[in-house]
Amino acid sequence: AQSVSQHNHHVILSEAASLELGCNYSYGGTVNLFWYVQYPGQHLQLLLKYFSGDPLVKGIKGFEAEFIKSKFSFNLRKPSVQWSDTAEYFCAVNAYAGNTGKLIFGQGTTLQVKP
Amino acid sequence: IAGITQAPTSQILAAGRRMTLRCTQDMRHNAMYWYRQDLGLGLRLIHYSNTAGTTGKGEVPDGYSVSRANTDDFPLTLASAVPSQTSVYFCASSAGWGNEQFFGPGTRLTVL
Repeated sequence: AQSVSQHNHHVILSEAASLELGCNYSYGGTVNLFWYVQYPGQHLQLLLKYFSGDPLVKGIKGFEAEFIKSKFSFNLRKPSVQWSDTAEYFCAVNAYAGNTGKLIFGQGTTLQVKP
Repeated sequence: IAGITQAPTSQILAAGRRMTLRCTQDMRHNAMYWYRQDLGLGLRLIHYSNTAGTTGKGEVPDGYSVSRANTDDFPLTLASAVPSQTSVYFCASSAGWGNEQFFGPGTRLTVL
């Protein structure tokens, strides 16, 4: 069965620190990859997505992610976090073969940025 | 453009009662989904619909049912609520298979 693993459950950083959140998935075929963000009390919003092409994708608010196919990874990065980045971050995978458009989500990573 | 609306925003429900969570989208998306979000478990798919008139089961379908009579609406029904169904429920939609999903604001449900 397809699965998505986010290794960091709770991350605490100071403002201006660099961020990297890990995401690994278990599926050997073609995938679409997503990072969503959920700010406190709000619904999920798309940060960025990878379908094909350049494996380094840039999203909103200075976030980027790199797809490394050989490692089944899609890690999220930001060079310098802000207090407003405090939120929960979800990695999600949509696998092609035999799939009906379902996203498989990781457990989420809570990011707390201290001012 | 509202995107996806969900109702109610929150609800406290006695165990054994029937409850329908409403979801409406105005983007003319073919696919719609229901997830529940629980602490430490992320989002889990309950049911989905790839197009009007069809539905399918997700990871955690037991105790829930859905219908998709038209493109815009995708209600989720709890026939007889139990405390383990206390959760935040999110409805989502996408233009098609593999596309990004857009999420509604959620319904916080407490079953006592």
